Amino acid sequence: EIVLTQSPGTLSLSPGERATLSCRASQSVSSNFLAWYQQKPGQAPRLLIHDASSRATGIPDRFSGSGSGTDFTLIISRLEPEDFAVYYCQQYATSPLTFGPGTKVDIK
Amino acid sequence: QLQLQESGPGLVKPSETLSLTCIVSGGSFSSTRYYWGWLRQPPGKGLEWIGTIYYSGTTYYNVSLKGRLTISVDTSKNQFSLRLSSVSAADTAVYYCARHSRGAASLEAFDIWGQGTMVTVSS
Repeated sequence: EIVLTQSPGTLSLSPGERATLSCRASQSVSSNFLAWYQQKPGQAPRLLIHDASSRATGIPDRFSGSGSGTDFTLIISRLEPEDFAVYYCQQYATSPLTFGPGTKVDIK
Repeated sequence: QLQLQESGPGLVKPSETLSLTCIVSGGSFSSTRYYWGWLRQPPGKGLEWIGTIYYSGTTYYNVSLKGRLTISVDTSKNQFSLRLSSVSAADTAVYYCARHSRGAASLEAFDIWGQGTMVTVSS
């Protein structure tokens, strides 16, 4: 099983600032089969990024993903008020599909 | 547009079987392009993939649940179902159904989700 670790656990920032979220895998994620999701309280997760760097349909370009192998990054270039949420990474390279524990981005 | 809606009891007794159904509307359920999955999220915790089914009935299960888990499909009703037996308090969670594509990976990312349904295991 691929174990995903996310850091930091919580990121306190102000609107307009840049957010950098990290996801590290216990073993290489083949073909960069890694996704990022955003989840707000009481809502289902929303797919932001797939294949490590491809934005999902309708996702603003302030969200970008990068990385390969075991180290992946989600960057939100300028935080909007609606971006304060929990972000999860997920690998779909091998079964079982696994998620990281999440990074909470809250308002400073 | 495509929508997924979970339904089922919100309260299940310990040792009994949890049963949920996901109805897919607004799109092609039997498309060869998609798989249909179940996930869960215990209160205040992270996400766990439970298992996935293809419209043909082929299933993919999380090994951690495999002995208790059955996922089935009914293409005539555009729905798929989850049965989890011998439940305990550890199975208390919000249960989501979701779609993922069939692509380069065996199972791609989850691109459309249901709203989720809370299931509590308690006597």
